[in-house]
Parts: sequence; structure tokens; C-alpha cells
Amino acid sequence: EPEVTQTPSHQVTQMGQEVILRCVPISNHLYFYWYRQILGQKVEFLVSFYNNEISEKSEIFDDQFSVERPDGSNFTLKIRSTKLEDSAMYFCASSRGEMNTEAFFGQGTRLTVV
Amino acid sequence: AQTVTQSQPEMSVQEAETVTLSCTYDTSESNYYLFWYKQPPSRQMILVIRQEAYKQQNATENRFSVNFQKAAKSFSLKISDSQLGDTAMYFCAFIAGGTSYGKLTFGQGTILTVHP
Repeated sequence: EPEVTQTPSHQVTQMGQEVILRCVPISNHLYFYWYRQILGQKVEFLVSFYNNEISEKSEIFDDQFSVERPDGSNFTLKIRSTKLEDSAMYFCASSRGEMNTEAFFGQGTRLTVV
Repeated sequence: AQTVTQSQPEMSVQEAETVTLSCTYDTSESNYYLFWYKQPPSRQMILVIRQEAYKQQNATENRFSVNFQKAAKSFSLKISDSQLGDTAMYFCAFIAGGTSYGKLTFGQGTILTVHP
């Protein structure tokens, strides 16, 4: 069964460093998403991406964040200058985009900023 | 803006028994979809069940069923014949119709523990 894959599973980075989280969505999906889950809290929407551009973003998704689909298969989330409060589990998801399809989630990348 | 509220931070149940997890939501949308996601210790988010708001019939998926009360904006999940593998965090989620399925609004989650 096709699945969304994320790498790495765990990333430790120093405060102020740039980090790139990678995702390979399901191949025939058209919409891509990043969500964040701070430990013990709810899952929060960050950004949606369609047709090579951001279609929607939340207040959390400020100028420190960016997304791109560099090669038609990978979908990346970049955090330019990490802060301690960026420590969280980051989930990538994808969907076909039609009304009756669901979002499939990856297994997540745990980001720890020290 | 939509909100989703799960008022039970933790629940426990004995194996083979039935448990119900509560969820309420608030929206001004008339067309929307509701979901229950399961997050086991592996942390992956797994879709358990989906309900379209325009359907009056409650969704069922094997041992999982929902009680969808649209007027009350309530969407509870019933797990019958609970199994040890059902131990997980359960999230209720909402998405407005007319948008892609991915932009979900999640509740705070309920930790369910199934005891042998």
C-alpha cells in the first residue's frame, strides 16, 4: 500500500541552525501539508501546498518557515533559524485533493532544538 | 473559525469491553467532514473513521462507530470489543467542505488505555 515517508525520523539541531525536513508524498497525490505537534499538545496545521505554491498557511507558519517541492517527488519544510519552541513532531501529509479523499500522514519527524 | 473540543484527556477500558470517546465542535459551515484519527505510540496518524455531515446515517468501520448529532455538534466514537492494540491517543478532527481534505482542525486528543 502506498504511504507517505518522512526523513529523518529524529533530528537534533542547535538553536539558530537551519533544518530541512523531508517528505515523499504518495505519488498520485496533488495536495501536500505540514502539521506540527508539540509534545502533549494537539496537532496543528502549518501549511498546504498545491500546484507548486502555498495554498494556505497558519499563523504559526511565519517567515522562518518555507516549503518547496524541488524535484517533483520530495516535499520539504525548511526552518531557517530554529528556536527552542520549534521542538515538536512534524507530520507531512498528502491527499489526492478530490472531495472524497482523505489525507494520509507520514510517520513524523521528531525535531529537537537544543 | 472552527474549534474541536475533546473533554476527556484520558480514558481506560478493559479488554473486550466498549468505550465511548467524546468530541464536540463548533462551526458556522453547513457542509463539513469529521474524522477520528488514532495515534499509537509509534506516533503515526491513522484514520479510523470518517463522517460526512450531510449524511444522517452514522458511519461504522468494523468495531468502530460514531454517534453523530449534528444539531448538538457532537461526534463521539464508540469502540466495541476493545483490544490491546486500540491503546493510543485518539484525535477528533474537522474539515470544512469545499476545501481539500488535508487542512484539518484537531481536538486536544484523548489517551485511551486498554487493560488486559
